[in-house]
Amino acid sequence: SQKIEQNSEALNIQEGKTATLTCNYTNYSPAYLQWYRQDPGRGPVFLLLIRENEKEKRKERLKVTFDTTLKQSLFHITASQPADSATYLCALDFSTGRRALTFGSGTRLQVQP
Amino acid sequence: EAGVAQSPRYKIIEKRQSVAFWCNPISGHATLYWYQQILGQGPKLLIQFQNNGVVDDSQLPKDRFSAERLKGVDSTLKIQPAKLEDSAVYLCASSSNKGGVRNSPLHFGNGTRLTVT
Repeated sequence: SQKIEQNSEALNIQEGKTATLTCNYTNYSPAYLQWYRQDPGRGPVFLLLIRENEKEKRKERLKVTFDTTLKQSLFHITASQPADSATYLCALDFSTGRRALTFGSGTRLQVQP
Repeated sequence: EAGVAQSPRYKIIEKRQSVAFWCNPISGHATLYWYQQILGQGPKLLIQFQNNGVVDDSQLPKDRFSAERLKGVDSTLKIQPAKLEDSAVYLCASSSNKGGVRNSPLHFGNGTRLTVT
């Protein structure tokens, strides 16, 4: 069955460093991949969308890569700040038979000042 | 633009009771979703509406859960009777579908936290 894997262990990094989060998927080749940020007690907020024919996408301090051969997406936050501390979710469009997004379980990022 | 509105924010009920959640999506968004998020997990789709028609309810436990979207705007999700394992956050999301359903980001509300005792 289709599966999305994100590191369940929290990622702790120092302010100013680059945070790299991983999203792996199996048994499917999605056309789109999205990343969301979720703060405690709030709904997820959309950050970036990348298509299968795009290797990389950037938005301010954020960068997403999409390797369809490795079936992996990497999410980078450069010059991280304590305000970046949150849970980051990747979501895939497993569009065979369903059009809605399937979410991973998320990785919690903690940026230490 | 105003975001997705959900109410109530919190609800505590006993098992076997019933409960209803309400969602008002962003104006003009044709697609509405209900997701269930259990603590420590990612959101799991329960049901997807396109206008007032159901697109996907394959993961909705239909023996106890029901949802409707009257007039293609507001939506309600109901659980009757509730079980302990229904304790979760129920998130409503909407999307505009400009460029296609699959290409559109989701806009989430802040959810209803349900505790079943």
